[in-house]
Amino acid sequence: KAGVTQTPRYLIKTRGQQVTLSCSPISGHRSVSWYQQTPGQGLQFLFEYFSETQRNKGNFPGRFSGRQFSNSRSEMNVSTLELGDSALYLCASSLDGRQGATGELFFGEGSRLTVL
Amino acid sequence: QKEVEQNSGPLSVPEGAIASLNCTYSDRGSQSFFWYRQYSGKSPELIMFIYSNGDKEDGRFTAQLNKASQYVSLLIRDSQPSDSATYLCAVNRGGTYKYIFGTGTRLKVLA
Repeated sequence: KAGVTQTPRYLIKTRGQQVTLSCSPISGHRSVSWYQQTPGQGLQFLFEYFSETQRNKGNFPGRFSGRQFSNSRSEMNVSTLELGDSALYLCASSLDGRQGATGELFFGEGSRLTVL
Repeated sequence: QKEVEQNSGPLSVPEGAIASLNCTYSDRGSQSFFWYRQYSGKSPELIMFIYSNGDKEDGRFTAQLNKASQYVSLLIRDSQPSDSATYLCAVNRGGTYKYIFGTGTRLKVLA
C-alpha cells in the first residue's frame, strides 16, 4: 500500500513569490492535515481537510491556504513568501474517526521550502 | 506557557538502559495522546497512543498517562542505538484532527 506522497520534495523560492505544495494521501484516507516544522517551533498545525471541506485551522496568517479535491488529494499554497516561511511542510493523512480509527497520522516525507 | 511541553534534550542513556521521556500539556480537555518517533531527515511515525489513565505497554515501549497531573510519558526498556531519534508528544481534544505537538526530546542511546 503506497504511503503519503508529497511533491515537490525540495524547492527554493525568493521573498514575495508564492508556492504550491501537493499531497496524495494513503488510498482510502479522507482526512488530510498539513503541518509546518521548524527547529525552533516544532510541528505546528496548519489545517485539516475532509471531503473537500476545511474542518480545522491553525493560527497561521491568511497567506497560508489549502484545498482538497474529490479524490482526497490536497494542495497548500503560501503567497507572498517571507524568510520565516522556510520550513519543512508535512502532510499527514488519516482514516476518519467514525470508521473506528485510532486517530493515527501517517506522514509524508515532506516538502522542504527555502525562502531566500 | 506552551500547550505541549517537552524537554528538548538530548537525553543520553547507555545501551540496555531505560529511557524515560516526559510531556506535559495545558489543555484539560485533551483526550488522546500520541508518541511519534522522528529520525533525522525523516518524517514522524507513530509509536504509541493512549487514551485512558494508567499504563499501556507495547513491546519495549510503555506509555503512561496521568490526566489529573496533565502529563504523559514514554518509557523505552532495553534501549538500543537504533532508538536514537527525536520523540514527539502530540495531544488531541478529541472529535477533531487538530493535533498539538511538543517540540520533541532528542534521545541518544550510547553503544
